[in-house]
Amino acid sequence: IAGITQAPTSQILAAGRRMTLRCTQDMRHNAMYWYRQDLGLGLRLIHYSNTAGTTGKGEVPDGYSVSRANTDDFPLTLASAVPSQTSVYFCASSDEVDQPQHFGDGTRLSIL
Amino acid sequence: QKEVEQDPGPLSVPEGAIVSLNCTYSNSAFQYFMWYRQYSRKGPELLMYTYSSGNKEDGRFTAQVDKSSKYISLFIRDSQPSDSATYLCASRNTGGFKTIFGAGTRLFVKA
Repeated sequence: IAGITQAPTSQILAAGRRMTLRCTQDMRHNAMYWYRQDLGLGLRLIHYSNTAGTTGKGEVPDGYSVSRANTDDFPLTLASAVPSQTSVYFCASSDEVDQPQHFGDGTRLSIL
Repeated sequence: QKEVEQDPGPLSVPEGAIVSLNCTYSNSAFQYFMWYRQYSRKGPELLMYTYSSGNKEDGRFTAQVDKSSKYISLFIRDSQPSDSATYLCASRNTGGFKTIFGAGTRLFVKA
């Protein structure tokens, strides 16, 4: 089934550790995005990529980095996790940046 | 003020009821409007995608946009228990990549 695969589905992590959340899409979409979803705040954009080889900062980029080496993969890295990064992280993609986005099922991350 | 505001609910209705979900937005440049449905422990799923003002119907769902009052609505006819989910509205401007999401309204449809 075509779509977006995120891994892991959930993770408990000690503060200060490095963590990479994986995202792979098989729809050959050009644009990809990372959001975090927190109760009462909704979805907030962390980083995005218009096309392979380019990335940009969203609304809440601090403490996160991304790379886009190819069309299909868009990993999100927390270099040194802090408790405030406890959240549900969603990867999304769209055919082009001005098209509606399609989401994966998220990674639930707890930082202790 | 958030650019897209949504009442968090929860909204509880009996099966078969007509449901009205609403959002307001502040950016007059927004031209594209979306509704997503999110089941528990799942990602948002695109339900409706509309451009500018007017109505769009898809089965039991109708999306309505009133740009003069910056008001977005989603109507669900003959609601079913399977419609129980969180509904997110979203908006963006023409050519823009940044989609602004509301925080979501939790809907419960009781059998």
